[in-house]
Amino acid sequence: QVQLVESGGGVVQPGRSLRLSCAASAFTFIGYSMHWVRQAPGKGLEWVAIISYDEVTTYYADSVKGRFTISRDNSRNTLYLQMNSLRAEDTALYYCARDWSSGGYFDYWGQGTLVTVSS
Amino acid sequence: EIVLTQSPATLSLSPGERVTLSCRASQSVSYFAWYQQKPGQAPRLLIYDASNRATGIPARFSGSGSGTDFTLTISSLEPEDSAVYYCQQRTKWLWTFGQGTKVEIK
Repeated sequence: QVQLVESGGGVVQPGRSLRLSCAASAFTFIGYSMHWVRQAPGKGLEWVAIISYDEVTTYYADSVKGRFTISRDNSRNTLYLQMNSLRAEDTALYYCARDWSSGGYFDYWGQGTLVTVSS
Repeated sequence: EIVLTQSPATLSLSPGERVTLSCRASQSVSYFAWYQQKPGQAPRLLIYDASNRATGIPARFSGSGSGTDFTLTISSLEPEDSAVYYCQQRTKWLWTFGQGTKVEIK
């Protein structure tokens, strides 16, 4: 059964950095592009970033461009999100999700890791 | 950026009733989906390509629409359908979600 397990969340001060991880299992990780999607407490879903299966292509939401970096290690079946210059508005539950179909839909999701940016 | 506007914000209906959720895009979209999110859970893909049910999704869920106007229909509401429903589109390399519609069971 496809499994995505996020880790690395926590409480961090504004301006500091944090790196999230997402461990994938039970599917051919290298065959799929992967996303990060976040959800602020009590709010809706916001797409954050995508990385192609071969690590060549990355795209970001304007809200995180220049501060966040998505990466992956296909030898470890792991997705990452390096978050720098964190702001209070980055506080959210961060999900990793698998990209599926030519439409780029999110067919599998992890349970999320909570990032709280607060002084 | 394409903005998705969902209506209504909240629905309260009785089991067995027909439910119709709407999502309108600010411009025409090519790839469109619906997701269901229950409290404390990750979202689940319900409908993709506007009208195709994802694997394991009950037949009471159906999607329709194209261009800028899309609809999710639950033909006969079940108690376990209490959730927030999000529409989502992808255009080129940008994904956006609607703000969600909360479906409550009376």
